[in-house]
Amino acid sequence: EPEVTQTPSHQVTQMGQEVILRCVPISNHLYFYWYRQILGQKVEFLVSFYNNEISEKSEIFDDQFSVERPDGSNFTLKIRSTKLEDSAMYFCASSVRRQTYNEQFFGPGTRLTVL
Amino acid sequence: AQRVTQPEKLLSVFKGAPVELKCNYSYSGSPELFWYVQYSRQRLQLLLRHISRESIKGFTADLNKGETSFHLKKPFAQEEDSAMYYCALSGGSNYKLTFGKGTLLTVNP
Repeated sequence: EPEVTQTPSHQVTQMGQEVILRCVPISNHLYFYWYRQILGQKVEFLVSFYNNEISEKSEIFDDQFSVERPDGSNFTLKIRSTKLEDSAMYFCASSVRRQTYNEQFFGPGTRLTVL
Repeated sequence: AQRVTQPEKLLSVFKGAPVELKCNYSYSGSPELFWYVQYSRQRLQLLLRHISRESIKGFTADLNKGETSFHLKKPFAQEEDSAMYYCALSGGSNYKLTFGKGTLLTVNP
């Protein structure tokens, strides 16, 4: 069964550095999402992406964040200058909408640690 | 604004006992409600959605619009049900998911 994959599984970086988190969505999916979960808190929506553009973003998704689908398979989240508070688990998800429901398939996550 | 509340952070039951994980939501339109489950060291996966009205692994959930609730129930819990359970809501045109904080269910032998 196809799955969403994410790399790396764990990323450690210094504050102020740029990081790129990578995701390979399921191949026939058209809608892509990033969520994050700070330790002990809820899973929070960051951004949704469709047809090569951002369709919605949350307040968390400020100018330090960007997303890209550089080729037909990868979907990346870039944080330009990481802050300590960016330390979290980042989940990628993808979906193909059918009728009135939208099941999102999640990747295993990337744990980002900012020192 | 969309909001999902799961009042219980932890829930512990014995094998064979009934279990109910509570979920309340706030949304002005017609939401889609989901339960996602995360077993130890595994990814988030969809357990069930209200629109399909199905039973998965013995779990059911009924959307109660009057009480704005979507509680997850199972009549006889099994040890393999031990996991983190997240209630989620999707609404609007972009279908983002709004999650509750999750309930960690432990089923004891």
